[in-house]
Amino acid sequence: GAGVSQSPSNKVTEKGKDVELRCDPISGHTALYWYRQSLGQGLEFLIYFQGNSAPDKSGLPSDRFSAERTGGSVSTLTIQRTQQEDSAVYLCASSAYYIEQFFGPGTRLTVL
Amino acid sequence: GNSVTQMEGPVTLSEEAFLTINCTYTATGYPSLFWYVQYPGEGLQLLLKATKADDKGSNKGFEATYRKETTSFHLEKGSVQVSDSAVYFCALSAQETSGSRLTFGEGTQLTVNP
Repeated sequence: GAGVSQSPSNKVTEKGKDVELRCDPISGHTALYWYRQSLGQGLEFLIYFQGNSAPDKSGLPSDRFSAERTGGSVSTLTIQRTQQEDSAVYLCASSAYYIEQFFGPGTRLTVL
Repeated sequence: GNSVTQMEGPVTLSEEAFLTINCTYTATGYPSLFWYVQYPGEGLQLLLKATKADDKGSNKGFEATYRKETTSFHLEKGSVQVSDSAVYFCALSAQETSGSRLTFGEGTQLTVNP
């Protein structure tokens, strides 16, 4: 079936604006992860969802970041009052059995 | 906490050369180990994995062996091709860590010249 998809592929925004990034995981995958890839920090974990359990938000860098997952499928990562240091590629991954995570193509966010 | 250290890049090789990218890790428990590859303009793809000590992961001519005694998972390929040019990430996941989230190394840029 289809892989993990993310939208938009690119997003340019002005400092202080809010942005929403979307992830469609592979159908049937119960686990969903968000990561961030930036020049200074490499690849870092942000948040994890598993089924209907409370998400693990331990990787979110500030309270401007939040995420939700509706119906155990689609997820939205929201960044409020964006800052220039939020510029990065945001990656979503999904997994069925914890062993292998399948990644989407990412959303490149540029904050001017 | 868990961490992964990769050899610093970038690495530049000629076609058909031997490749080694070193990776060592620190983790509690018994992590699973991975190599991911990111080709130019593309997303992360799983290259190979190993889930227990002494396992060897292999794919597309690449190999890596899970060495618990040296906490290493070095990536090797006997003869690289131009098409292998990409960024390679070593990673681990530990089920003790919520959701087996991945901890990545810094990435190693590989360029193979014809």
